[in-house]
Amino acid sequence: GESVGLHLPTLSVQEGDNSIINCAYSNSASDYFIWYKQESGKGPQFIIDIRSNMDKRQGQRVTVLLNKTVKHLSLQIAATQPGDSAVYFCAEYNQGGKLIFGQGTELSVKP
Amino acid sequence: GAGVSQSPRYKVAKRGQDVALRCDPISGHVSLFWYQQALGQGPEFLTYFQNEAQLDKSGLPSDRFFAERPEGSVSTLKIQRTQQEDSAVYLCASSIDRGNSPLHFGNGTRLTVT
Repeated sequence: GESVGLHLPTLSVQEGDNSIINCAYSNSASDYFIWYKQESGKGPQFIIDIRSNMDKRQGQRVTVLLNKTVKHLSLQIAATQPGDSAVYFCAEYNQGGKLIFGQGTELSVKP
Repeated sequence: GAGVSQSPRYKVAKRGQDVALRCDPISGHVSLFWYQQALGQGPEFLTYFQNEAQLDKSGLPSDRFFAERPEGSVSTLKIQRTQQEDSAVYLCASSIDRGNSPLHFGNGTRLTVT
């Protein structure tokens, strides 16, 4: 069936370093992807999105890369800060219009 | 502007009790979604409304789960005869349209069934 999964469940980085969170998806027909950040006790917060007609999109300190050939998505966070510590989810819209979430990666930033 | 608001923030129910969870979406958002999130997992789709119409309820785990959005704004998720396996965070999200824009999530209701 359809699935969106993450390669690493946890990621620990030093403050100031760049972080890269990876995601694999299985539905080649998906054309819209979203990264969410979820802090403890809160709902998922939109970070950045990308459509399948693009392979890169940049926001403030974040960049999303989409490789449709290998069905891979990544989120890059520049100059990671303690406030970036959270669980990060990639999510994919399937053809039925449902947003499907992966398992999540927990990012821990060491001061 | 206000985001998605959910109440109560926490709910403790004894097994067998009925519960009702409320969601106030962002004003003007046509689409409304309910998700269930178990500890350490990603959100799982439950059901979807477009205005007052429930277009997809394929994710509801059993017939004890019921959702409504009678006037196309506020939505209620009701769980009858709660079981321990219903313990989770229930997230509501809204968007301007379906499948073409990000979902904006509330902070959820944490349900604990004892």
